Amino acid sequence: GQQLNQSPQSMFIQEGEDVSMNCTSSSIFNTWLWYKQDPGEGPVLLIALYKAGELTSNGRLTAQFGITRKDSFLNISASIPSDVGIYFCAGLPRGSGGSNYKLTFGKGTLLTVNP
Amino acid sequence: DVKVTQSSRYLVKRTGEKVFLECVQDMDHENMFWYRQDPGLGLRLIYFSYDVKMKEKGDIPEGYSVSREKKERFSLILESASTNQTSMYLCASKSPVGSGNTIYFGEGSWLTVV
Repeated sequence: GQQLNQSPQSMFIQEGEDVSMNCTSSSIFNTWLWYKQDPGEGPVLLIALYKAGELTSNGRLTAQFGITRKDSFLNISASIPSDVGIYFCAGLPRGSGGSNYKLTFGKGTLLTVNP
Repeated sequence: DVKVTQSSRYLVKRTGEKVFLECVQDMDHENMFWYRQDPGLGLRLIYFSYDVKMKEKGDIPEGYSVSREKKERFSLILESASTNQTSMYLCASKSPVGSGNTIYFGEGSWLTVV
């Protein structure tokens, strides 16, 4: 299936630094979702975006739905050790019926935070 | 909060065994999904269901089947487990377009086939 281009693949940062990651696609999406996955656990939803240009925050996390509908970014401010994990973007396409159900994922950004 | 519960977190099965992975969601969602996650390959869709008794193949359905007898429960079946089915399996459910259009995952089931 189609993949989103998510970058960077990994990041190693110092505690307190800000982090930015993004996803791009050749297709238009109706919804962008950002997840965090801890080792051995399922992905946990962080932020959901539904409208082009939308900027949404969840604590120290901020995500934006790109104006072209083909990209999104996630920022984490003032990182802390528990931010460690894999961050995934995912997009739901426009369209109805079966096509609307198929979530397309980025391959993830592995974040390591050095205390 | 939406709760997606996978009944087994860790399983070890022998080659050729029949394996059932169960998933229950508590939000009356119509759409449910089974994915597998492998290093370097990301999340791949095995099957999804958009209503009771309705199912569609995802990207990698070979070697798997599913059952959706009740709205809240979606089961993944490995008819004859093989070692290449060793993986992390993730169940998910989706809220309707008018109620967030968001997908929620379970905790995952680690399956090892020996």
